[in-house]
Amino acid sequence: EAQLVESGGALVKPGGSLRLSCAASGFNFKNAWMSWVRQAPGKGLEWVARFKSISDGGKIDYAAPVKGRFTISRDDSENMLYLQMNSLRTEDTAVYFCTTLSLYWGQGTLVTVSS
Amino acid sequence: SYELTQPPSVSVSPGQTARITCSGDALPKNYAYWYQQKSGQSPVLVIYEDSKRPPRIPERFSGSSSGTTVTLTISGAQEEDEADYYCYSTDINDDYVVFGGGTKLTVL
Repeated sequence: EAQLVESGGALVKPGGSLRLSCAASGFNFKNAWMSWVRQAPGKGLEWVARFKSISDGGKIDYAAPVKGRFTISRDDSENMLYLQMNSLRTEDTAVYFCTTLSLYWGQGTLVTVSS
Repeated sequence: SYELTQPPSVSVSPGQTARITCSGDALPKNYAYWYQQKSGQSPVLVIYEDSKRPPRIPERFSGSSSGTTVTLTISGAQEEDEADYYCYSTDINDDYVVFGGGTKLTVL
């Protein structure tokens, strides 16, 4: 059975940094286009970043609000996806989901940015 | 920036047909996907590539496309279908993933 498990969410002060991890299992991770999607409390889904599979070119794209502050990366040998978040702002407070943007979603990890 | 537009809410009685629309300029070129999200849970894919239904999704869920609008139809909506529904697609160049604002479906 396919599974995505996020970790790394925490309470962090504005301007701080955090690294989220996502462990994948049960499907062909190296051929999957992987994304991070977030959901602020009481709000809708917001796409954050996408990493296409290496076999499809490995292109990386970011949403405008996080470009230049967040970095998505992947380790296909370990079936891991990462999100390095720097210069965090209060508006980055959300549950962060790891997803293939198709069938597979993680349970989410909560990031709270507050002083 | 590219946007997908959904109505904020749709309300139907049990057994009625619920239709949720999603509009965007690039939809004639790019597929749309629909997710169901119940409170406190992760999203679940209910329609992909405009009109295909994943395994284990009930047949009452269907999708269609016409021009710049895609529609999620729930035929004979049930109380268990109450949830938020989101469409997603990409911009014209596939550089940007976009979600619609979400539609709260009420069945009562």
